[in-house]
Amino acid sequence: RKEVEQDPGPFNVPEGATVAFNCTYSNSASQSFFWYRQDCRKEPKLLMSVYSSGNEDGRFTAQLNRASQYISLLIRDSKLSDSATYLCVVNRVNRDDKIIFGKGTRLHILP
Amino acid sequence: EPEVTQTPSHQVTQMGQEVILRCVPISNHLYFYWYRQILGQKVEFLVSFYNNEISEKSEIFDDQFSVERPDGSNFTLKIRSTKLEDSAMYFCASKQGSGSHNEQFFGPGTRLTVL
Repeated sequence: RKEVEQDPGPFNVPEGATVAFNCTYSNSASQSFFWYRQDCRKEPKLLMSVYSSGNEDGRFTAQLNRASQYISLLIRDSKLSDSATYLCVVNRVNRDDKIIFGKGTRLHILP
Repeated sequence: EPEVTQTPSHQVTQMGQEVILRCVPISNHLYFYWYRQILGQKVEFLVSFYNNEISEKSEIFDDQFSVERPDGSNFTLKIRSTKLEDSAMYFCASKQGSGSHNEQFFGPGTRLTVL
């Protein structure tokens, strides 16, 4: 099983739709979780950290289910500018210096 | 807003040649990283560096790779004898402090092409 696994995508959704990204991780003792966004040929940029209680930032909501080793990201009222690849990122046990990236899910928002 | 910078943006080299990729982390950051991303694949951790020494490295980071912080501002990645499979985007990142929820800030990357 891959350390961090995401929906392969791509997702093609109309502007204004709600989009959900799913991610699972294999190491039950992983400690920190993040969603990054990567535009084509650009560097990854942190979108949001994911906390145990779940967290929201505007149109973005992240959830963590430790029992299922599952992380999600919801984007509401999607905009054209949301088109990017969304990367699920997990830190290794006792290795807060080393983060493991999922392969990413590409999102295309259609006008 | 402070940012991580990397030079060059694109490096083309012949197989077997040495390359040095340069990074200037954010000035008050203490933790430094290199990652690579082969085209169409995921971002992969190479090495982390703290207090002037490597704190962790991946299985990718073999004897052909080395890192250095020569002058307190630059952070370099050297590949001694490049192979075709080293062609990738190389991202430098830095982080201010320890703690798993501290954000790593990424530079724009250097695209390395090995011919």
